[in-house]
Amino acid sequence: EAQVTQNPRYLITVTGKKLTVTCSQNMNHEYMSWYRQDPGLGLRQIYYSMNVEVTDKGDVPEGYKVSRKEKRNFPLILESPSPNQTSLYFCASSRGQFNTEAFFGQGTRLTVV
Amino acid sequence: DAKTTQPTSMDCAEGRAANLPCNHSTISGNEYVYWYRQIHSQGPQYIIHGLKNNETNEMASLIITEDRKSSTLILPHATLRDTAVYYCIVTPGAGSYQLTFGKGTKLSVIP
Repeated sequence: EAQVTQNPRYLITVTGKKLTVTCSQNMNHEYMSWYRQDPGLGLRQIYYSMNVEVTDKGDVPEGYKVSRKEKRNFPLILESPSPNQTSLYFCASSRGQFNTEAFFGQGTRLTVV
Repeated sequence: DAKTTQPTSMDCAEGRAANLPCNHSTISGNEYVYWYRQIHSQGPQYIIHGLKNNETNEMASLIITEDRKSSTLILPHATLRDTAVYYCIVTPGAGSYQLTFGKGTKLSVIP
């Protein structure tokens, strides 16, 4: 089954404790991205990757890092989480750039206390 | 990217067709119209997309006006499981990084 898998689904952590949210897709997609969703602000893009070792900032990249060492994986790294990073996070992937659909993971609900 | 305007919310009776409008008056010639939905807090789900012609798939139909300044997503027989927020997005591409989500339309399907 074609899918984007995020882990963990739920995470509560403390301020400053480094964490990684993993994202993996089994569709051999080139494009992957991370979004965060907050009440009243909708879905906002954090980072994206157009291929292995190619990443770029989205609209809200501050406080986040990403890497794309393999085509299937695109982890989101929070080096020093802060409470304002409490949010619902989604990973997405797509086959190409044009005339294609994006597949989203089920989300990771992160709480930073 | 072109900006879209959607109603904040709509109701639809179960079993009836749900018609969700979207205005995109500043759409460019190379921009597609995409529809996604988000059920509760799940990941957004692709529904359908089109450039100029009307499109239909197993989930929905997309009607794009001739001037491309507006479109309508049609769910032919709405069920309770179609209750969700529906997003209309216009974009020159649709790689997963090219999607700009607005506030969407909250569709409530009523028994």
